[in-house]
Amino acid sequence: SQTIHQWPATLVQPVGSPLSLECTVEGTSNPNLYWYRQAAGRGLQLLFYSVGIGQISSEVPQNLSASRPQDRQFILSSKKLLLSDSGFYLCAWKDQKGEQYFGPGTRLTVT
Amino acid sequence: RKEVEQDPGPFNVPEGATVAFNCTYSNSASQSFFWYRQDCRKEPKLLMSVYSSGNEDGRFTAQLNRASQYISLLIRDSKLSDSATYLCVVGPRGSTLGRLYFGRGTQLTVWP
Repeated sequence: SQTIHQWPATLVQPVGSPLSLECTVEGTSNPNLYWYRQAAGRGLQLLFYSVGIGQISSEVPQNLSASRPQDRQFILSSKKLLLSDSGFYLCAWKDQKGEQYFGPGTRLTVT
Repeated sequence: RKEVEQDPGPFNVPEGATVAFNCTYSNSASQSFFWYRQDCRKEPKLLMSVYSSGNEDGRFTAQLNRASQYISLLIRDSKLSDSATYLCVVGPRGSTLGRLYFGRGTQLTVWP
């Protein structure tokens, strides 16, 4: 069966510091992968999606970037965090039926 | 206009009650429809896909009305454990590359 991992689970970072969040998927090959952010009391915002190694599409221009160095690895990064980057970051993969499955998420607080 | 709109609630119902959530979507070309459940401070989890003919999974029944671009979720015999936020989700045909659109969610609290 497929599983999706994210780490770290929680993170507190100062404004201006860099960020690296990692997501890995097991039990499937060449999945479509997605990064979402959910701010407190808000809906899910799609940030990036990827259909394969090195292929990244950005939905919202901002100070975040994503990379996919391996088939089942998806990384979200920032060079300098802003206060507005605080939120719950979720990685997801999509199966052939279009159903998306989420990882446990990373709760980021920028101070 | 938002892609997916839901009544945010909150819905507060007693155990054993029947509760219904509604959702509308704006893109008539949408082909896939889902309900997700999200517990407080947790990731969303797939509750059920919604098929054109409607489908049922235990106490949960989902309906799709393509003509009205409307999706519903009915929960019968509510349990305390049903308390969560329910997200309506719409997207392209399953195997098509494309994004899913998530509603902001409807909050449900079931009280004893």
